[in-house]
Amino acid sequence: DIQMTQSPSSLSASVGDRVTITCRASQNINTYLNWYKQKPGEAPKLLIYAASALQSGVPSRFSGSGSGTTFRLTVSSLQPDDFATYYCQQSYHTPPTFGQGTKVEI
Amino acid sequence: QVQLVQSGGGVVQPGGSLRLSCAASGFTFSTSGMHWVRQAPGKGLEWVTFIRSDGITKYYADSVEGRFTISRDNSKNTLDLQMNSVRPEDTAIYYCVPGDFWGGHFDSWGQGTLVTVSS
Repeated sequence: DIQMTQSPSSLSASVGDRVTITCRASQNINTYLNWYKQKPGEAPKLLIYAASALQSGVPSRFSGSGSGTTFRLTVSSLQPDDFATYYCQQSYHTPPTFGQGTKVEI
Repeated sequence: QVQLVQSGGGVVQPGGSLRLSCAASGFTFSTSGMHWVRQAPGKGLEWVTFIRSDGITKYYADSVEGRFTISRDNSKNTLDLQMNSVRPEDTAIYYCVPGDFWGGHFDSWGQGTLVTVSS
């Protein structure tokens, strides 16, 4: 299975900060990379698909980039609702696999 | 809008069995692949199993192969997960999720159902 590695595993930030999370795949996954946000007690929510496409209804402060094996999720100006755990997921190789998560804390 | 209503979680003893269900609406269930994804307490997300729209093609994670069985009823828009010979490491929140097995993304999730394997 493809290994997905996120960095950092956690970070502390303030409202208004620009935050970037990196996701690396153990093999080339083209742009078949998705990002999810999860708050405690809730199901994950899709933010970005196909590496850089913004899911409908997701604020434009979220953006994704990358291809091949290295990808980034950027939040341009962190808002209170953005404090959560973020996961990357690849769908180029089967089975689909997730990163271990990045917790964004105040 | 897509709705995925899950039921069937609870506490089960090691070696026991449990059946999870997911009732789907708001999309064409009969032409959609379906997954189960789980999350152990305080841990990340783990793909468990997939069933194609035809109900014939199925894939399982190595960790559950031979113990779990995924099935669907396209006439009732329901998805099931039969969990047999459960182990403590199967303790997790289980989510049903529509999507392709290859190349897609998970844009709708069930509310999750907690399975606790404990004596």
